Amino acid sequence: QSALTQPASVSGSPGQSITISCTGTSSDVGGYNFVSWYQQHPGKAPKVMIYDVNNRPSGVSNRFSGSKSGNTASLTISGLRAEDEADYYCSSYTRSDTLVFGGGTKVSVL
Amino acid sequence: EVQLVQSGAEVKKPGESLNISCKGSGYTFIAYWIAWVRQMPGKGLEWMGIIYPTDSHIRYSPSFQGQVTISVDKSINTAYLQLNTLKASDTAIYYCARRFTAGYDFDYWGQGTLVTVSS
Repeated sequence: QSALTQPASVSGSPGQSITISCTGTSSDVGGYNFVSWYQQHPGKAPKVMIYDVNNRPSGVSNRFSGSKSGNTASLTISGLRAEDEADYYCSSYTRSDTLVFGGGTKVSVL
Repeated sequence: EVQLVQSGAEVKKPGESLNISCKGSGYTFIAYWIAWVRQMPGKGLEWMGIIYPTDSHIRYSPSFQGQVTISVDKSINTAYLQLNTLKASDTAIYYCARRFTAGYDFDYWGQGTLVTVSS
């Protein structure tokens, strides 16, 4: 089962907005509204930022938003801050009743 | 407070076996699936499998089926990941995580267990 495709890196200046894409197939991203996004700082466990495509858990800043079109999901971070610098992973439920992660995207705040 | 607390770091030799534990507290343990995720050094997240403590129903990733064993002891609110015949390529951080939605979304994660396999 192939990993979802994410850009290796995305960067932006403080205050800007950035978008990370996550491309799968009709058997995962395109077939279900079960896409999540995780933030991982170095040496820390992942933290869920978005679940079920566009839902934010309690406590997550509304600067984080998710969307999906066809086989591609996206995470947008608006008002970029230094603390947003981290690795971000998407994940999707699959037709095989399994989960697949994306390869990860390193977000840099310039 | 919901917590998943994993067993400590391990150093093993090739060919040895290992059991990593993940103890849940602060919630009804049997009501939530527990998943295992691998992260090799400098690499991304890989989903290994998931277990439902109520009935020990398990789903493995095809990539890990037959390579690992996931189990649970609901009497002590603990899930386990067993790694057999360890290889250097099993060196990684292993996380447990709690599923909280109909999809495989995880809201609470363990702190991770670093496993080093070296002769």
